[in-house]
Amino acid sequence: AQSVSQHNHHVILSEAASLELGCNYSYGGTVNLFWYVQYPGQHLQLLLKYFSGDPLVKGIKGFEAEFIKSKFSFNLRKPSVQWSDTAEYFCAVKDTGRRALTFGSGTRLQVQP
Amino acid sequence: ETGVTQTPRHLVMGMTNKKSLKCEQHLGHNAMYWYKQSAKKPLELMFVYNFKEQTENNSVPSRFSPECPNSSHLFLHLHTLQPEDSALYLCASSQPSGTSGGPGELFFGEGSRLTVL
Repeated sequence: AQSVSQHNHHVILSEAASLELGCNYSYGGTVNLFWYVQYPGQHLQLLLKYFSGDPLVKGIKGFEAEFIKSKFSFNLRKPSVQWSDTAEYFCAVKDTGRRALTFGSGTRLQVQP
Repeated sequence: ETGVTQTPRHLVMGMTNKKSLKCEQHLGHNAMYWYKQSAKKPLELMFVYNFKEQTENNSVPSRFSPECPNSSHLFLHLHTLQPEDSALYLCASSQPSGTSGGPGELFFGEGSRLTVL
């Protein structure tokens, strides 16, 4: 069965610092990849997604992620974080032939002003 | 406004109670999901419905009973729960592959926070 690992459980950064959150998945077949964000008290919302093509995908609010197939990774990056980026970030993977997504345990990002 | 509405937002129940969680999606999707979100754990898939038919049951205990009367509504009936069932229960919906929103993208509700005493 597919599993998703997010290595950082809690990250604390100052504003303007660069961000990279790790995500690795286990299944080696064709996958679709997602990053979701959950702001305090709000619902999970899509940050960005990868289906095919250019492995560097850009999402909302200046976030981007790079799919490295050989490493089974889909790391999330942002060059300069803002206080408003404080949230929990979830990596998710969809295997072909399955409707549901498999999620990682999440990374809580705290940005200090 | 997410397009996926969950009620109630908060629920406290005893172990012998029977209650239900409700989810309604206004996005015209045909697949609906229940996930369980517990602190410091990955979101756990519970059930998947596609065109009102259950297509996945992720070994969920029978004290959780889903119901999907149509593609827009999803219920989770709760009976004889345990304190460890306390969590945030998330409903989501999606469209089939190739349509707007992309293959597999889930749209989530705000969740129902359940506390079992």
